[in-house]
Amino acid sequence: GEDVEQSLFLSVREGDSSVINCTYTDSSSTYLYWYKQEPGAGLQLLTYIFSNMDMKQDQRLTVLLNKKDKHLSLRIADTQTGDSAIYFCAEKRSYIPTFGRGTSLIVHP
Amino acid sequence: DAGITQSPRHKVTETGTPVTLRCHQTENHRYMYWYRQDPGHGLRLIHYSYGVKDTDKGEVSDGYSVSRSKTEDFLLTLESATSSQTSVYFCAISGSGERAKNIQYFGAGTRLSVL
Repeated sequence: GEDVEQSLFLSVREGDSSVINCTYTDSSSTYLYWYKQEPGAGLQLLTYIFSNMDMKQDQRLTVLLNKKDKHLSLRIADTQTGDSAIYFCAEKRSYIPTFGRGTSLIVHP
Repeated sequence: DAGITQSPRHKVTETGTPVTLRCHQTENHRYMYWYRQDPGHGLRLIHYSYGVKDTDKGEVSDGYSVSRSKTEDFLLTLESATSSQTSVYFCAISGSGERAKNIQYFGAGTRLSVL
């Protein structure tokens, strides 16, 4: 996971927006992903973006991709307690994804 | 969990014993993967398979072997378990089409403790 960097923790208040950031190193990455992991569960694909896109929106989720800076972000609007989880960023070069270490999102009332 | 079953879900074993973890899928997907998840390391790829009897090593393959004799089953074996192999193990699958092969689905995980 050294090629994909994420901050380890993010704490937000319920109802606020959350922004989770990720940097990657390989400019040839074709797909970039966000996965969510709830306690005791596997990883669930939240969304992904193809490298020729700058933005993707899906309900409360907005993904922004800055290819020049190799920066990916996930914005969660109106964050709820059910959004508390670990969020993993991943990049795909050949056909194997490389994962970051995950960001623990803590949502407090 | 997208038709993926991992067994067992929990296992406690002793150092030096062999352990086999099983991943079973009902999606008929071509690609299967084994990862381990450890605090501070995120997910690291152990081995993967791109078809029946076709496997390759990931970044942390030492001490592990795999087999895939059928499309639906991918086995991970620890020949002689060590305490450093205490971890949570995840199986993942992906399909064959241009879009499908780029999307991985994960099982619920197996928590292994080696004492």
